[in-house]
Formats: sequence, structure tokens, C-alpha cells
Amino acid sequence: QSVLAQTPSASGTPGQRVTISCSGSSSNIGINYVYWYQQLPETAPKVLIYRNRERPSGVPDRFSGSKSGTSASLAISGLRSEDEADYYCAVWDDSLSGWVFGGGTKLTVL
Amino acid sequence: EVQLVETGGGLVQPGRSLRLSCAASGFTFDEYAMHWVRQAPGKGLEWVSGISWNRGTIAYADSVKGRFTISRDNAGNSLYLQMNSLRPEDTALYYCSKAEEAAATAPPDSWGQGTLVTVSS
Repeated sequence: QSVLAQTPSASGTPGQRVTISCSGSSSNIGINYVYWYQQLPETAPKVLIYRNRERPSGVPDRFSGSKSGTSASLAISGLRSEDEADYYCAVWDDSLSGWVFGGGTKLTVL
Repeated sequence: EVQLVETGGGLVQPGRSLRLSCAASGFTFDEYAMHWVRQAPGKGLEWVSGISWNRGTIAYADSVKGRFTISRDNAGNSLYLQMNSLRPEDTALYYCSKAEEAAATAPPDSWGQGTLVTVSS
């Protein structure tokens, strides 16, 4: 069982807005930056959101991140078929002295 | 462009050892921390270990502590993972990743394609 809780699956139709949540604790999300990774089928993960809400160059502004207390969220607006992927949140945990990943959310575009 | 190429994976019996290597290029290797992250077949990502730019800080997941050793050769732009006392639950695709900054607390921001380790008798 992961230290960070993510809903295992999410879905939406093209054009819709979808939100993926990540729940942690005071030793991780509560005090450190949250990162989001996108893993397309059969590929390595890539950074989607860094430091809670920042987007690397090349990531569309349809993707946005937020954090409140010990939870974080990734929102995807204007859903596209190419957004179908696994999404992971990650954060440094001060109690564990290591990085922790959420269990991942599989996004299906219907 | 950052390039990370992992090698050394394969089939190994439980209790045996394996050493993974990662050849890095496209960035100044000795200015960044590095990580190993693994993914068991059909499962999610699990951080394994991280090492700061100067080896001053090294961290391990509890699941591998005491069995795995991370190291780096800054002159040779290489990262390593020595895996001892391997268990079936260590079966996974092992990714080498470059961190965002020099500290081991910095997150992975670039990933290789991974090398598959299978632990089975």
C-alpha cells in the first residue's frame, strides 16, 4: 500500500475536464513540493508538473497542478485521446528520507 | 539532450547478485543527483535509491536497504546499482533517472528506457 493515495482509475470523454487526486500526510505533501509524472503505454515516465504547479516547457497548459494541505491534484482540461496514460504523483517524505510515489491513476479517454 | 542508457539486467536466481549500470550523456553529470526507480510488471513506480552529486548523501527505500548499494563514477559519467540477496519481489524494470538538482532530495526529471531484472529459480 502506497504512502500516497491515488484513485486507481479515471475516465472522461474528449473535451471534458478530469481531476486526479493524491492524498498524503504532514511528512510529505504537507511540507514538500509535489511532482506529477505521465507514463504513456510502453514508455518511460516524463515530468508533467513540478513544484506543485509548474509546467516544463512543451507541456500544454491543459495540464495544471495544485496543492492544499496534505493533498494535491492534477487537472486535465480539453481531454484528448493522447492523454490516455498512467499518472503518478511523487513527493519527498521527510520521515522516510526518500521519495514516494502514488500508486498511479490509469486515465481512460472514452 | 539528456541520454540515459541502462544495462546489466537479466534473469537471476533468488539470493544471487546483479549489478546495473547507467551511462549518462547530454548534461554535466557531476552537477546532478541521480536515482534508480523500478516498476514491477503491471505495477506502479517505486523509488529505489538516490545519490547526490558528490556522493555525500545516499538514500534507499526500506525495501532494499542493506541489500542494494548505489554508486557513481563522475569521471566516467556512470551510475551503478549493486543488487545483492535478490528476491522474486525485486523483479522489475529498473530505470536510471537524472535528478532536477544536485541534492538527492531533488526529484527525477529525465529517465532512461530501463533494464529488466527477473528474479526466479
